[in-house]
Amino acid sequence: DAGVIQSPRHEVTEMGQEVTLRCKPISGHNSLFWYRQTMMRGLELLIYFNNNVPIDDSGMPEDRFSAKMPNASFSTLKIQPSEPRDSAVYFCASSLQGSNQPQHFGDGTRLSIL
Amino acid sequence: DQQVKQNSPSLSVQEGRISILNCDYTNSMFDYFLWYKKYPAEGPTFLISISSIKDKNEDGRFTVFLNKSAKHLSLHIVPSQPGDSAVYFCAARRGNTDKLIFGTGTRLQVFP
Repeated sequence: DAGVIQSPRHEVTEMGQEVTLRCKPISGHNSLFWYRQTMMRGLELLIYFNNNVPIDDSGMPEDRFSAKMPNASFSTLKIQPSEPRDSAVYFCASSLQGSNQPQHFGDGTRLSIL
Repeated sequence: DQQVKQNSPSLSVQEGRISILNCDYTNSMFDYFLWYKKYPAEGPTFLISISSIKDKNEDGRFTVFLNKSAKHLSLHIVPSQPGDSAVYFCAARRGNTDKLIFGTGTRLQVFP
């Protein structure tokens, strides 16, 4: 079975550039989550969607971050403009809404902003 | 404010012995708890969970204990194996949301 698929796996770009991270959730899952992992703060939830609708974006750091889910099989996390402090590993996860089924994570995108 | 805390950043255990990883939480509204394991360059993978109506859940070598009065849970791995070496994250959830709050993780190293 295909798991959560994230692309790219690695991204290195210069400060000020736009960065777009992509995620394909597990087929049939209707909740999608974006996380950021840093050494200092661990795994932080940025935003999550239920049935393609954003439910909680309280973890989005600032207006430079935006996320969309145009359909049930695709989501993007965009940073514009990017800054060095955005360097982190970004994970996408999916699950069945409202169940005690666990969230399934992708392998992440390692983002480096120079 | 860190609602889920893993105060030990690392733990080293000999193969065959018990590994005990601890997690504390502050929000009494949490009613579901999970442990995830993470290898380098991979995403976290679900290990075991427990509902607040239970105080113990066991799955093979892995057992999670929940002490609601102390707001504390622990993961026991018996016997520990070198393949268990990974970072372990504790997570908590409130019943009316899908949102998970993660701890900062404990790196477990199991040596021969």
